[in-house]
Amino acid sequence: EAGVTQFPSHSVIEKGQTVTLRCDPISGHDNLYWYRRVMGKEIKFLLHFVKESKQDESGMPNNRFLAERTGGTYSTLKVQPAELEDSGVYFCASSQQRGRGKLFFGSGTQLSVL
Amino acid sequence: TQLLEQSPQFLSIQEGENLTVYCNSSSVFSSLQWYRQEPGEGPVLLVTVVTGGEVKKLKRLTFQFGDARKDSSLHITAAQPGDTGLYLCAGAKFTGNQFYFGTGTSLTVIP
Repeated sequence: EAGVTQFPSHSVIEKGQTVTLRCDPISGHDNLYWYRRVMGKEIKFLLHFVKESKQDESGMPNNRFLAERTGGTYSTLKVQPAELEDSGVYFCASSQQRGRGKLFFGSGTQLSVL
Repeated sequence: TQLLEQSPQFLSIQEGENLTVYCNSSSVFSSLQWYRQEPGEGPVLLVTVVTGGEVKKLKRLTFQFGDARKDSSLHITAAQPGDTGLYLCAGAKFTGNQFYFGTGTSLTVIP
């Protein structure tokens, strides 16, 4: 069974540019989460999808971040325009069960904004 | 503000030694998870504890959830080089579906 895959693994962009991160969850997992780890800080929740619906987007930093999950399969997270403070590792995780369910994480996308 | 504090932040020990990592909060959690993360990879779930006072064992690893559901500990007996990694605790509250992560404990076990 394939795990959670994220693309790209690394992205280096200049301030003001646009970047789109992609996450393919484990097949059959309705729950998809985006998390972010900024250097020196803890992993922080960004948002949660149940199928194609945004269940909780309380962690999204601002309106420069847009997440979509059309069709309830893969998800994209777009940052436009990127700022220096957006640098960090963006993790995607999926689970079958909500709440106390087991989260399966992808390897993350390392985003560097210069 | 940091919801979950982990200590120590860094730990370097010799193979065969024992160690304990702590995860503390002033908040109450419905459940708490421990993950291990290796460089270039995402966190991998080790255990979930859901009952106050619960103790779970996974080979040489012992996990405990505090009676008040505010803290947890991870004890490793006779550490091996393969135990090297970043250990993260993550708590789920009674409402909502997100997990709140600690800053992690970076463990290095020297052969």
